[in-house]
Amino acid sequence: KQEVTQIPAALSVPEGENLVLNCSFTDSAIYNLQWFRQDPGKGLTSLLLIQSSQREQTSGRLNASLDKSSGRSTLYIAASQPGDSATYLCAASKTSYDKVIFGPGTSLSVIP
Amino acid sequence: NAGVTQTPKFRVLKTGQSMTLLCAQDMNHEYMYWYRQDPGMGLRLIHYSVGEGTTAKGEVPDGYNVSRLKKQNFLLGLESAAPSQTSVYFCASSLAGGRTGELFFGEGSRLTVL
Repeated sequence: KQEVTQIPAALSVPEGENLVLNCSFTDSAIYNLQWFRQDPGKGLTSLLLIQSSQREQTSGRLNASLDKSSGRSTLYIAASQPGDSATYLCAASKTSYDKVIFGPGTSLSVIP
Repeated sequence: NAGVTQTPKFRVLKTGQSMTLLCAQDMNHEYMYWYRQDPGMGLRLIHYSVGEGTTAKGEVPDGYNVSRLKKQNFLLGLESAAPSQTSVYFCASSLAGGRTGELFFGEGSRLTVL
């Protein structure tokens, strides 16, 4: 059974810092891994999707990497801003076509 | 651009009452999902559908039923609500399921069962 964990559970940084969020998964036979952002009281917004054949994806100040052999993905946020404050979740698709397993999330607070 | 729309956004029920949550997507997605999100438990899959007329059980299906009569709609029903079903419910859809598809989420439906 696929399990997804995220460290740390919460993170507080001053504005302008670069930071890394970690995601680990137990079953390395994944098809893709997605990173989402969730603002309080809102739904999830997809940030980046990495296919199993890829090593990383970039969008603006965000860079996500994937290492299937070690069961890890990282989300790198450059030059953090207060608007980046949110909960970040990673999710791994299982080998079947139908289910996505979510991690518990990392709550990020960027202090002005 | 509507994307994924959930109704209602808020609802309060008494134990034993029934209700239906509606999810509608306008992206012609094949796959649709219902999740619940609880503090400390993360997002858990309730039921999902891989196409019109099909449904399947997820991780926590007990106490819920679903129907996908039209491709764009996915309904989640509670036949006899229980306090344990107090949660925030999210609908999601994707073009090609977990294999390659990016998931698009609705804004959520907050349900309280008294």
